[in-house]
Amino acid sequence: DVKVTQSSRYLVKRTGEKVFLECVQDMDHENMFWYRQDPGLGLRLIYFSYDVKMKEKGDIPEGYSVSREKKERFSLILESASTNQTSMYLCASSSHRDPRKDLRTDTQYFGPGTRLTVL
Amino acid sequence: AQTVTQSQPEMSVQEAETVTLSCTYDTSESDYYLFWYKQPPSRQMILVIRQEAYKQQNATENRFSVNFQKAAKSFSLKISDSQLGDAAMYFCASGAGNQFYFGTGTSLTVIP
Repeated sequence: DVKVTQSSRYLVKRTGEKVFLECVQDMDHENMFWYRQDPGLGLRLIYFSYDVKMKEKGDIPEGYSVSREKKERFSLILESASTNQTSMYLCASSSHRDPRKDLRTDTQYFGPGTRLTVL
Repeated sequence: AQTVTQSQPEMSVQEAETVTLSCTYDTSESDYYLFWYKQPPSRQMILVIRQEAYKQQNATENRFSVNFQKAAKSFSLKISDSQLGDAAMYFCASGAGNQFYFGTGTSLTVIP
C-alpha cells in the first residue's frame, strides 16, 4: 500500500513564525502536491512538484514556498505565518504515467493532513 | 476555465439504502478525467472511483457506481447498500489539460 505521512496532525503557531510542514511518501512517486482544505472551498492546490528540485505554483501559492530535495520528501514552508493560513493542509503524491496529461489525472494518494492553527 | 459544483453540502442515508451524490462540471476540453474521493472523519482521503471522459461505460467499484452524463456534464456517485463506514466527506474532482479542480464536498451521514 502507498503510504503518505505528514510530520504533524496538529500544529499551533504564532503569527510571524516560520512553519515547516513535511510530507513523506514511500512509493517512489514522481509527483507530490500540497493542498489546503477549508470548509466550503474544497481543496485548493498550493504547490506541486514533478521531480526532485522541480516545483510549480498551484492556484494559491502566495505566502508559501516549497522544497523537494529528495524524491520521497516534499516540504511546505510558511515564511511568516498569518492567521489567514489557519487551515487543514493535505499532502498527496502520484505516479504520473502519461506526460501529455495533467499530473493529477492519475490517482492521488493523500496523507492524513495537518491542522494548522495560527494565533 | 473549469469548475466543479457539488450542490449538496450535506446528505443522509439510512443504512442499507441507496444514496446518490450530485456533481456537475464545466470544461471546454474534450479529453478529461473525473473522480470521486472520500475523506472519512480524521482519516486519509482515498480515491473511490475514476472515470475517463472518452469511455462510454460508467465506472463501477463494488457498491459504488457513477452516472456519467457527458452531454449534461454530470457525474453523480451512487452508493448502494450504504454502510456505516461510508460516512465521510465526498469530493468530486475534474482534471483536463493542465487544470484540476475539486468540488466543495458533500458530507454524507449514514443513519443506523
